[in-house]
Amino acid sequence: QVQLQESGPGLVKPSETLSLTCSVSGYSISSGYYWGWIRQPPGKGLEWIGTIYHSGSTYYNPSLKSRVTISVDTSKNQFSLRVTSVTAADTAVYYCARQQGWLVRDWYFDFWGRGSLVTVSS
Amino acid sequence: QSVLTQPPSTSGTPGQRVTISCSGSSSNIEKNYVSWYQQLPGTAPKVLIYRNNQRPSGVPDRISGSKSGTSASLAISGLRSEDEADYYCAAWDDSLSGNVIFGGGTKLTVL
Repeated sequence: QVQLQESGPGLVKPSETLSLTCSVSGYSISSGYYWGWIRQPPGKGLEWIGTIYHSGSTYYNPSLKSRVTISVDTSKNQFSLRVTSVTAADTAVYYCARQQGWLVRDWYFDFWGRGSLVTVSS
Repeated sequence: QSVLTQPPSTSGTPGQRVTISCSGSSSNIEKNYVSWYQQLPGTAPKVLIYRNNQRPSGVPDRISGSKSGTSASLAISGLRSEDEADYYCAAWDDSLSGNVIFGGGTKLTVL
């Protein structure tokens, strides 16, 4: 069974960089699939942040693209998220997930991590 | 405001059939596949439907999805108390540089 686990600081100061890592077990990232990050502000809906393929190709939400970097470390079976210049609006539960589908029009998220709450506050 | 529009809430009684709509446009639902997710309180979303109407293994057949033109629907029949949750639709949107978009979510209450 594929399992994903987010890890990283729960509190980040405004204007600093948010960094999270997703550790994958039960499947080798280097074997394939896309891997994504989604966030959910408290009491609000879901927002896709971006996606990375095991080869390193990336896709980002246009509204966040200038501040977001997603990377993969196949040797550790992990992928990571960095969001720069954070504000209170970036406070959210951050989920990592595996994506099914070869084409973007076919994408869906089949396995999710439990989520990691990141609060942006001084 | 989400590009995919869902009713904020709906309700039903045990055993009833409820549907949740997801309205989009020619740049998302009409051209691309729709997926649906259930989010129980305090938990991560779980996929219920992919490719408009396909169920992952383990999802009961009382849950179904459909799509017509620029709209999609999720139907839950034989409603149970454990179905009380938030439901989200999602699709790829071809506008601008492309984007995965989610609906705003629908809170289903089982009365």
